[in-house]
Formats: sequence, structure tokens, C-alpha cells
Amino acid sequence: GAVVSQHPSWVICKSGTSVKIECRSLDFQATTMFWYRQFPKQSLMLMATSNEGSKATYEQGVEKDKFLINHASLTLSTLTVTSAHPEDSSFYICSARGSGQNITDTQYFGPGTRLTVL
Amino acid sequence: GDSVTQMEGPVTLSEEAFLTINCTYTATGYPSLFWYVQYPGEGLQLLLKATKADDKGSNKGFEATYRKETTSFHLEKGSVQVSDSAVYFCALRTGGSYIPTFGRGTSLIVHP
Repeated sequence: GAVVSQHPSWVICKSGTSVKIECRSLDFQATTMFWYRQFPKQSLMLMATSNEGSKATYEQGVEKDKFLINHASLTLSTLTVTSAHPEDSSFYICSARGSGQNITDTQYFGPGTRLTVL
Repeated sequence: GDSVTQMEGPVTLSEEAFLTINCTYTATGYPSLFWYVQYPGEGLQLLLKATKADDKGSNKGFEATYRKETTSFHLEKGSVQVSDSAVYFCALRTGGSYIPTFGRGTSLIVHP
């Protein structure tokens, strides 16, 4: 089946620094990638949707200047948390949908990245 | 708006016990319903789904029935194994959207 990887799996950083999280589709071309955030004991909340080669579409309440998303190729999307603060500590999960898939087909999820901001 | 409520965990069972994880939903229209499973260190995987009322989704011994009258989609398995230990997410999707609405997830721990 389709595999999506994320790197790093966990990261600890100091407040004020920026952190980049990579999401890769390993065996298919992902025309659309999604970024989710999950707080402890909470459901996954969609942050943004990105299509290859175009700007990401952010959900209401998500700061696009703080959470920079780049989907430069059909196999890679990156999420950069800029000037991270402790409240940004969370579990970030990406997912991908391949080209040719029906719009209602399920997405393939990455294993997530645990971000801790000190 | 749409929402999914599932029972809080962790659910702790002995091997071969019967499993039920409750899930209820609120949605406009007629949603499709899903169960995803996340094994330790891995991404969410689709476990099963049902797209209309009274449909039963099943996979790997798990099953869930779309109950419109009770707006529920409870996950069941007759005999769990240690390898079933994971976090289970109930989710729904409405209309032509490809974005699921997830529940909070329920952790299942199965002891030998």
C-alpha cells in the first residue's frame, strides 16, 4: 500500500526558533497533502491543504505566517513552524492523496511528528 | 457542525476478550463513516468504512454497522489479540469532501 513518511519523528527546540517537518510520499505522487495537528486526547484538526506547486489553503484560525507550508514536488511537503513557542507543542500529522484518485478516496497518513518547544 | 464522539480510553483487555469501542456522530446530510487504526510509530490506516445506513464494514475481524437511527458506528471484535493494541479513530466525511472529521481516538491495550 501507499506509504507516507515524516521526518523527524520527534523534535525538541527552544522557544523562538523555527522547526521544519518533512512529509514524503514514498511510492506514489501526492498531488494534495494535508497537515493536521493533534493535542493530547483531542481529535485531529486540519490545519491546511496544499496542492503541488500552489499556495496552501489554511483552515480558519491557523496563522499562515506562523505555519509555513511548501509543497514543491509531488512527493514532498514541508511544514515550518516559525518562531516556535511552548503553545505550539503538539503532534503534527501529514497525509497525502495521490493523483488519479477519486476525490472522496481516503488519504494516506504519515506517522506524525512530536514537537516540544521549551 | 459535524462532530464525532468516541469513548475515552485506554481500553485494557486480556487476549481473546470481546471488544467494543463506542462511536456516535453528529452530521448534516448523510455521512460516510470510518474507523482508522494507528499502530505505535505508524501512520493512521483505514480499518473499515460504511457509506450508507445499515451497511456493515469489516476488516481483520473488526466490524462496525452504520446505525442511522442511533447515529452510531461502534467498533467490535469478537476476540482481540495483543497485536491489536493501537489507537482507534472514528471519523466521518460528508458530501464530496475528502476531509474527515475525526474523533479523539481510543487507545486499546491488549495483555497476553
